[in-house]
Amino acid sequence: QSALTQPPSASGSPGQSVTISCTGTSSDVGRYNSVSWYQQHPGKAPKLMIYEVSKRPSGVPDRFSGSKSGNTASLTVSGLQAEDEADYYCSSYAGSNNFVVFGGGTKLTVL
Amino acid sequence: EVQLLESGGGLVQPGGSLRLSCAASGFTFSSYAMSWVRQAPGKGLEWVSVISGSGGSTYYADSVKGRFTISRDNSKDTLFLQMNSLRAEDTAVYYCAKVPNWNYLNWFDPWGQGTLVTVSS
Repeated sequence: QSALTQPPSASGSPGQSVTISCTGTSSDVGRYNSVSWYQQHPGKAPKLMIYEVSKRPSGVPDRFSGSKSGNTASLTVSGLQAEDEADYYCSSYAGSNNFVVFGGGTKLTVL
Repeated sequence: EVQLLESGGGLVQPGGSLRLSCAASGFTFSSYAMSWVRQAPGKGLEWVSVISGSGGSTYYADSVKGRFTISRDNSKDTLFLQMNSLRAEDTAVYYCAKVPNWNYLNWFDPWGQGTLVTVSS
């Protein structure tokens, strides 16, 4: 059982927007502005898409955005494209006991 | 270009040991913390361990504490993970990743390509 809860799947048509949620607790997501999101294509290593809740690394399209409210973080992908189809994982810092926790992952399908 | 290349994975019997390596290039290795993250077949990501740039601070997930040891050789730009008392549930692809900011231990960028560890008799 993962520490952070994500929906197993999400989907949208090309050009649409989809939002993936990531629910934690007041000990991780709710306490620290340290949520990150990773994209993983089959057989590939994860790639950082969002860090510090809403910041995008250079090279990541601005179609990807992150936010947080209370104990829940969200990743929104706007203007869906076929190459966005992948697994997405959220992560949060969880303090000096658990350090780093991940969500179970969400499989995004572009219809 | 930052590159991370893991090696050392393979098949090992339960109770055995294995040492993973991660060769880094393209950045000042000693200036950054490094982490190991694993992914069991068909499963999600699990953080394993982190080490500071100097090697003076190390942290572990409860699932590996006391069995795994993270270390680094800054003269050779290489990260290690010594895995002892291996169990079937340690079977996974092990990724090394650069931690750009010690204040954000869950910020991993980039990741290596991974090395598969299989624990089975």
